[in-house]
Amino acid sequence: SQELEQSPQSLIVQEGKNLTINCTSSKTLYGLYWYKQKYGEGLIFLMMLQKGGEEKSHEKITAKLDEKKQQSSLHITASQPSHAGIYLCGAPLLTGGFKTIFGAGTRLFVKA
Amino acid sequence: GAGVSQTPSNKVTEKGKYVELRCDPISGHTALYWYRQSLGQGPEFLIYFQGTGAADDSGLPNDRFFAVRPEGSVSTLKIQRTERGDSAVYLCASSLGTGDYEQYFGPGTRLTVT
Repeated sequence: SQELEQSPQSLIVQEGKNLTINCTSSKTLYGLYWYKQKYGEGLIFLMMLQKGGEEKSHEKITAKLDEKKQQSSLHITASQPSHAGIYLCGAPLLTGGFKTIFGAGTRLFVKA
Repeated sequence: GAGVSQTPSNKVTEKGKYVELRCDPISGHTALYWYRQSLGQGPEFLIYFQGTGAADDSGLPNDRFFAVRPEGSVSTLKIQRTERGDSAVYLCASSLGTGDYEQYFGPGTRLTVT
């Protein structure tokens, strides 16, 4: 079965520093979502990537999907306390439908 | 406009009891998903609906879990004979379609089985 592995599991950065979170799939992805979850709340959609080599940006967050469509990275530039939370990657599986799987998440803490 | 809403926000029940969790999706969204999230883990897929029908229920852990969406809008997740291991946050999401569409998540229902 397909799995998504995220690294690191948790990350503490000083405000203003850049950081990268990775998501690796055991199989080729149809697409890849990035979500953010604040502690105790629902998930907020950030970006979706579908094409190999695709890159998208929103404010200070950039996500990339590699050419083989098996790995994605999320990069935050000049981190702020508002970036703190849990970042989750998710992927739809073509199992006759669109069952979605998620990684375990990366917990980001930003020190002011 | 209104987002996905879930009720109740918290539910405490005794082992062996029956519970119902409700999800109101965004109006017009044909796809609806249920997930379960345990502490420190990502959401675990349970079931998704396309319209009124369950298109994939392969994530339901056993026959104590059942979900319905009779009119293609509101959905109810039903858990019979609850066990302590059922304690988790149950998340609902909806989308305009499947695959290429982003899922909008509700705030979740925190279920605690004592």
